[in-house]
Amino acid sequence: GAGVSQSPSNKVTEKGKDVELRCDPISGHTALYWYRQSLGQGLEFLIYFQGNSAPDKSGLPSDRFSAERTGGSVSTLTIQRTQQEDSAVYLCASSLDVVGREQFFGPGTRLTVL
Amino acid sequence: GESVGLHLPTLSVQEGDNSIINCAYSNSASDYFIWYKQESGKGPQFIIDIRSNMDKRQGQRVTVLLNKTVKHLSLQIAATQPGDSAVYFCAENFGGATNKLIFGTGTLLAVQP
Repeated sequence: GAGVSQSPSNKVTEKGKDVELRCDPISGHTALYWYRQSLGQGLEFLIYFQGNSAPDKSGLPSDRFSAERTGGSVSTLTIQRTQQEDSAVYLCASSLDVVGREQFFGPGTRLTVL
Repeated sequence: GESVGLHLPTLSVQEGDNSIINCAYSNSASDYFIWYKQESGKGPQFIIDIRSNMDKRQGQRVTVLLNKTVKHLSLQIAATQPGDSAVYFCAENFGGATNKLIFGTGTLLAVQP
């Protein structure tokens, strides 16, 4: 497809379990971002990948959160030992490069931790 | 358990009227600003952007105004339509090496037919 895709669209898990969320950016986009949106809130920056540079992890809320981007394309956000406060919509975005700053968002993954 | 209500600022307008959504941003060093529209169950959709060397930019039915003196951004929507009903977010980019966006809390625009 032409847009950013994310999977799964919904994920329900039990407290303490690990989850993996996937993002497929727009082909050719070198920059990829993860954001988190809690109910009724704005988007909270988590992590940013740009080309081969070291990622900007300054937004990750704890060491239970990690992300990787393989081959400069697909990215996986992993949350270990999930907690109820991790429940949110996790949004991925991509952009051409730092100069082309318009970020295109995917539909998000709704995570519910029971 | 206790439920938490949605406490977004809400702007209610009549179809055909003009809408103005306001946003105060935080960092005087921010050099790029974007307005996004988010419909229920979807990711944010780009509307219009503006760089800090401009104070006004127009698109189709939308205008963004930037006042750097008071760190204020506004989005004007002309002839508002029911399809414009959504949550609108402003976002700022602090500039420099990182391209992360800092989002405001959003405004719910409700268009009455």
